[in-house]
Amino acid sequence: DQQVKQNSPSLSVQEGRISILNCDYTNSMFDYFLWYKKYPAEGPTFLISISSIKDKNEDGRFTVFLNKSAKHLSLHIVPSQPGDSAVYFCAARFGNQFYFGTGTSLTVIP
Amino acid sequence: DGGITQSPKYLFRKEGQNVTLSCEQNLNHDAMYWYRQDPGQGLRLIYYSQIVNDFQKGDIAEGYSVSREKKESFPLTVTSAQKNPTAFYLCASSITLTDRDGYTFGSGTRLTVV
Repeated sequence: DQQVKQNSPSLSVQEGRISILNCDYTNSMFDYFLWYKKYPAEGPTFLISISSIKDKNEDGRFTVFLNKSAKHLSLHIVPSQPGDSAVYFCAARFGNQFYFGTGTSLTVIP
Repeated sequence: DGGITQSPKYLFRKEGQNVTLSCEQNLNHDAMYWYRQDPGQGLRLIYYSQIVNDFQKGDIAEGYSVSREKKESFPLTVTSAQKNPTAFYLCASSITLTDRDGYTFGSGTRLTVV
């Protein structure tokens, strides 16, 4: 049973435009959310996080939005750059465990 | 440079054989984890360890075994009891089990059963 879902396996965006990656979850007890970025043949690396008591967290070009009532998390990248092309995983924490989504492959077209 | 090293990068195994995947970290992290990734699925937790000589089963522990004799090392053995072992395996670590900064991941081992 997938508690964290990323329904879009892939996304293509023109360089300079906004990339929006989405994540839905089912467990209302998740208290912390993260986004990871993964390049081919490498492990995921931490990108940005948000606590369940907040609805927005910003770090440079990256902003994460949390809508608890909709159980929805999104990552905005503005402006998108070719180096952002990677697979993005969302993750949610409950207790001692993080639950990961299936990933969205972002391609930023120069 | 601190990090997590997984070896080998690619591993081929014959059916019925046990195989051990290596994971070493020099980050002085207490907690370590093994995840499995299959196409179209998220990362699924196999085992995790909070401290040395202690480890707990994750969601899909059947057919796997681990040990944590040293803080730096958390090897994963894929036994012949694992019905579908072909997958991408990721090792991770964190300062503590409840570290809010998330995990540091290794670069993974791709295991193929031939």
